[in-house]
Amino acid sequence: ETGVTQSPTHLIKTRGQQVTLRCSSQSGHNTVSWYQQALGQGPQFIFQYYREEENGRGNFPPRFSGLQFPNYSSELNVNALELDDSALYLCASSLSRGNTEAFFGQGTRLTVV
Amino acid sequence: DQQVKQNSPSLSVQEGRISILNCDYTNSMFDYFLWYKKYPAEGPTFLISISSIKDKNEDGRFTVFLNKSAKHLSLHIVPSQPGDSAVYFCAAGAFNFGNEKLTFGTGTRLTIIP
Repeated sequence: ETGVTQSPTHLIKTRGQQVTLRCSSQSGHNTVSWYQQALGQGPQFIFQYYREEENGRGNFPPRFSGLQFPNYSSELNVNALELDDSALYLCASSLSRGNTEAFFGQGTRLTVV
Repeated sequence: DQQVKQNSPSLSVQEGRISILNCDYTNSMFDYFLWYKKYPAEGPTFLISISSIKDKNEDGRFTVFLNKSAKHLSLHIVPSQPGDSAVYFCAAGAFNFGNEKLTFGTGTRLTIIP
């Protein structure tokens, strides 16, 4: 039990649609990161938020965006969904920047058809 | 460019024996390394980490070894137990990236044979 919860657990969307995935971090954890894990691959860093500001971004297009809220919840938004966006999306929270241990949620399995 | 590599997609080990999972990296800027364990339908669970200033870190049955000159780390599990069957990911990070981005390998599926 990591104290990080994600919703929904599974989701099916149509190409071109928009999706919002949600994450609730551990209380006190100021940093949240989002990762995309395609089948047979390791998680790929999408971006990180620290105290509600974006604090680094991986090689993902601008249609991937996020928000972090003061109540330790956060969102990942993906616009104009493509078939290749089908993946497991993971959020991870940590106590602060410089903390080397990230706690992951169980993930949201997104299928784009 | 795969900066963190796990070249063995799978590994089978007899229960009670030692499991050794390997990981190689190419970016000398990495300051710390972590191992995560993942069961199906769950997120990765943190196992153990090591800073680049150390060459060994031990926690119960799990030991991680780091060879900086070879850019290689390994996770030893001894003795191996059936509950250790899972996918293991090696991950690396750097403090001077300005964030806590972790770069993951592709994982090794460990199967413990009773």
